[in-house]
Amino acid sequence: ETGVTQTPRHLVMGMTNKKSLKCEQHLGHNAMYWYKQSAKKPLELMFVYNFKEQTENNSVPSRFSPECPNSSHLFLHLHTLQPEDSALYLCASSQEYFSHYHQPQHFGDGTRLSIL
Amino acid sequence: QKEVEQDPGPLSVPEGAIVSLNCTYSNSAFQYFMWYRQYSRKGPELLMYTYSSGNKEDGRFTAQVDKSSKYISLFIRDSQPSDSATYLCAMSATGAQKLVFGQGTRLTINP
Repeated sequence: ETGVTQTPRHLVMGMTNKKSLKCEQHLGHNAMYWYKQSAKKPLELMFVYNFKEQTENNSVPSRFSPECPNSSHLFLHLHTLQPEDSALYLCASSQEYFSHYHQPQHFGDGTRLSIL
Repeated sequence: QKEVEQDPGPLSVPEGAIVSLNCTYSNSAFQYFMWYRQYSRKGPELLMYTYSSGNKEDGRFTAQVDKSSKYISLFIRDSQPSDSATYLCAMSATGAQKLVFGQGTRLTINP
């Protein structure tokens, strides 16, 4: 496989459930990102990991818990979510996060999350 | 005021027309300017990026940046139905590659 792969593609869960989103990249990149895409709103950066270390947490509620066990894998653990958390969650990767030069970000196709 | 403003549309034009998509921004620290294309049920894919001011051309696509006006544009010539998608502008400063996105413009090219 090539590029950035996200699973599952769709997820429906109740507010009391616990689930996890998975992202895997086969590009040899060292930085990975979680974004939230809601209708009629710009993409919102949630978390950044650079060389497995969390570099950015964009004031995300603690019901979202990221995990980056290695540079190729990124997880987003979900618990006690709210209806307003229903959105498309996108994972991206780039060569590195800190650079004087542009580092293109490559996106996966996202997980469509619906909270009942 | 949002850091990046983009008209969400929708924008509908006939096949073969020239399309102009635009974004304005407020942060003068932005140095890299990107356009992403997002098809329905897919993730965004990078179309073009430009460093600082100037023009960049790639086939039917031209990106323009005017830093004095804090205004960027994407032109699509000879538009095709396959260009129908949502177009997202994004920007970043140097150093941390933190992208700030516009809302996206939904474009439909009618055969």
